[in-house]
Amino acid sequence: QKEVEQDPGPLSVPEGAIVSLNCTYSNSAFQYFMWYRQYSRKGPELLMYTYSSGNKEDGRFTAQVDKSSKYISLFIRDSQPSDSATYLCAMSGVDTGRRALTFGSGTRLQVQP
Amino acid sequence: IAGITQAPTSQILAAGRRMTLRCTQDMRHNAMYWYRQDLGLGLRLIHYSNTAGTTGKGEVPDGYSVSRANTDDFPLTLASAVPSQTSVYFCASSQGGANVLTFGAGSRLTVL
Repeated sequence: QKEVEQDPGPLSVPEGAIVSLNCTYSNSAFQYFMWYRQYSRKGPELLMYTYSSGNKEDGRFTAQVDKSSKYISLFIRDSQPSDSATYLCAMSGVDTGRRALTFGSGTRLQVQP
Repeated sequence: IAGITQAPTSQILAAGRRMTLRCTQDMRHNAMYWYRQDLGLGLRLIHYSNTAGTTGKGEVPDGYSVSRANTDDFPLTLASAVPSQTSVYFCASSQGGANVLTFGAGSRLTVL
């Protein structure tokens, strides 16, 4: 079983829809939670970053972390065709000699105009 | 523009050949990473370096080696390429405890 599970999609929605993207994880040591967006044939770019539990809002994007359930979400309001991309969740702990992120496999989102 | 530069962008390689993927950053980040990205498997860590002069193994290190002679450069070497190493390779760097990674544009490698 992977440490981070993410539904690969694809997820197809009409323009203006609310999108919900989710990840579950198994490692209770994870403290930092991030969402990256990756356009086709490009490198991932940071979209949202959250420390520990709670919500964070940035424009049309809201990130939620529920550590008790080991579940994180990304909501996109008023989705636009330019939001069409693959969304990767990522997380890390505070411990380790290896300060790398563990990624989900990514969810491909297509917003139809 | 500050960031990470990877080279080559794309390469086709015969099996058994040696290949080095180059990665240079100009942000003076201490930590650097190499990931490979494969369909359905996401990004998997190959090797990492927390600071110049040190390296460590990630999730899928076999068949790869790295060096970190200075802060800016972190090359990834495939000593004898095999078809299963066909992938997109991303170099990344980070600074600080939150481990927010900045990625390069990737190197697409095909091993025949």
